[in-house]
Amino acid sequence: DAKTTQPTSMDCAEGRAANLPCNHSTISGNEYVYWYRQIHSQGPQYIIHGLKNNETNEMASLIITEDRKSSTLILPHATLRDTAVYYCIVRVPGYSTLTFGKGTMLLVSP
Amino acid sequence: EAQVTQNPRYLITVTGKKLTVTCSQNMNHEYMSWYRQDPGLGLRQIYYSMNVEVTDKGDVPEGYKVSRKEKRNFPLILESPSPNQTSLYFCASRQSGTENYGYTFGSGTRLTVV
Repeated sequence: DAKTTQPTSMDCAEGRAANLPCNHSTISGNEYVYWYRQIHSQGPQYIIHGLKNNETNEMASLIITEDRKSSTLILPHATLRDTAVYYCIVRVPGYSTLTFGKGTMLLVSP
Repeated sequence: EAQVTQNPRYLITVTGKKLTVTCSQNMNHEYMSWYRQDPGLGLRQIYYSMNVEVTDKGDVPEGYKVSRKEKRNFPLILESPSPNQTSLYFCASRQSGTENYGYTFGSGTRLTVV
């Protein structure tokens, strides 16, 4: 699986958009970008995934650059409950295992 | 409600006393796996199962056993627990193939071995 690089931590004001970047310059053609988050000591939660087109669901939006070497997870209106560690994972769905890196600790403040 | 259920949530045990952590999912998922999470080391996969009677080692399988006799259950067995197995454990499941909804994780089991 391709390696990813994420900032260690980020801050966001409640109600503002949180934009979490991820670099994956060695991504291969059949690898998807997945995002998960883990709220303190709870089980990780799937957020969104994509191949090359931008994706949106009820939780977030995923923007993938045209060259697919980086992506951004967007939480449009962050709340205090969005405080969590966010993991960007690049892998081939359904085959390789889900390997977590260190992720980004997002702190949403009032 | 679609979910992965782990039991117990908390467990304190003594070195060498065999224990089993249960995991059950109600989504008819073929794939199930176990992770442990330790400070500074993140989430690491212990074992996984692609389907009934099919299991394989993950990154840190030493000291653990698993079985998959039926699709919904995937217990984690520690035959002779040691203090270095003190950790937070998560069970997860997913659909095979397209994986459109990602993995579903349980709420975790915090194990302390003294």
